[in-house]
Amino acid sequence: QQQVKQSPQSLIVQKGGIPIINCAYENTAFDYFPWYQQFPGKGPALLIAIRPDVSEKKEGRFTISFNKSAKQFSLHIMDSQPGDSATYFCAATSGTSYGKLTFGQGTILTVHP
Amino acid sequence: EAGVTQSPTHLIKTRGQQATLRCSPISGHTSVYWYQQALGLGLQFLLWYDEGEERNRGNFPPRFSGRQFPNYSSELNVNALELEDSALYLCASSRQGRGTDTQYFGPGTRLTVL
Repeated sequence: QQQVKQSPQSLIVQKGGIPIINCAYENTAFDYFPWYQQFPGKGPALLIAIRPDVSEKKEGRFTISFNKSAKQFSLHIMDSQPGDSATYFCAATSGTSYGKLTFGQGTILTVHP
Repeated sequence: EAGVTQSPTHLIKTRGQQATLRCSPISGHTSVYWYQQALGLGLQFLLWYDEGEERNRGNFPPRFSGRQFPNYSSELNVNALELEDSALYLCASSRQGRGTDTQYFGPGTRLTVL
């Protein structure tokens, strides 16, 4: 029940394409859903986050869509660039998780020029 | 503002030895978190320290332990190292100890157990 399932494992798109990464969760207590971006040799960096009281959030070229009834959320990257090539992790937590972020397995995104 | 720093960058140990990893949080942050990122296993929550106290630990054996110092820096100790402990160990910090505070990650310490 604590898992967050992320798909796909890897994704290849052309520059300008719109990669979509999906995550699903079971624990209905989760109420904060951040996405992290990780480049090789670096720690994960917060990209964007959403709470379940909104269905969509945009920050620049990054958009999170949230479907509370389906317990699913997804990341869309508009006008993708080669510099977006990285591993993306979704995560979930709640006030009762006591500091624990539960991460998805990660998606390796490659954007070809 | 300086980010989370971790040392050493790389650490090589042999089975049965002990490893000590260090983390300095962002200035003003009181909470420190440790995660293990092993190949193929994603990021697994290890420990959470806030105001010098251990607040939560993940599903890891007791040979994984740590502490938080009065200046909020933290240390992760792994005793009786096993081959499967080889992983990237990430430290994160947050401003407060609320469950949904944003966690900012450091670059990690790569531990290799031979």
